[in-house]
Amino acid sequence: TQLLEQSPQFLSIQEGENLTVYCNSSSVFSSLQWYRQEPGEGPVLLVTVVTGGEVKKLKRLTFQFGDARKDSSLHITAAQTGDTGLYLCAVREGGNTPLVFGKGTRLSVIA
Amino acid sequence: DAMVIQNPRYQVTQFGKPVTLSCSQTLNHNVMYWYQQKSSQAPKLLFHYYDKDFNNEADTPDNFQSRRPNTSFCFLDIRSPGLGDAAMYLCATSTASGGADTQYFGPGTRLTVL
Repeated sequence: TQLLEQSPQFLSIQEGENLTVYCNSSSVFSSLQWYRQEPGEGPVLLVTVVTGGEVKKLKRLTFQFGDARKDSSLHITAAQTGDTGLYLCAVREGGNTPLVFGKGTRLSVIA
Repeated sequence: DAMVIQNPRYQVTQFGKPVTLSCSQTLNHNVMYWYQQKSSQAPKLLFHYYDKDFNNEADTPDNFQSRRPNTSFCFLDIRSPGLGDAAMYLCATSTASGGADTQYFGPGTRLTVL
């Protein structure tokens, strides 16, 4: 059973459109991270959310942590071709344990 | 710039021929990780080092070994690569603070097994 479920698995949109991707779990986490992985590269951290209900903005990207700290969403406004990549959510199951990743949402933004 | 470096970026090996992938870091982080990532899948943790302490994931095949001779370097040895071992191998580092600390990834080594 996957700890983190990400949806949709694949998303292809036109430049300028808005989109939202989701990361869900039945478990509660003290924090959750979003990473973006571009083709041929390693994942890069976008944001860490730690408080239930927290909203963080990074330019056109808006991240929200669910009130119960079990889920998160990433909303992109006016997508650009540079947003293309694999978006991964990740959590630690406890303390000093390594990150566990979801399967990711592969986003393709077409000009 | 401080970073995580992986060499080579692309590695081709033959079925059953041992191969070693390298990772180095200039971040002076305590923890180093090796992940395997297959196409359209999440990175899967193989093992990690907390300083010199080696932690193997329960489902990591015995075919995969690792060495960390010092803080800066970590190696992934695949003793007898099979076709199913073809993947992107990612090295990452972090401090030992746990919780919300960041993992810094290298660019990966893409392994092809012929």
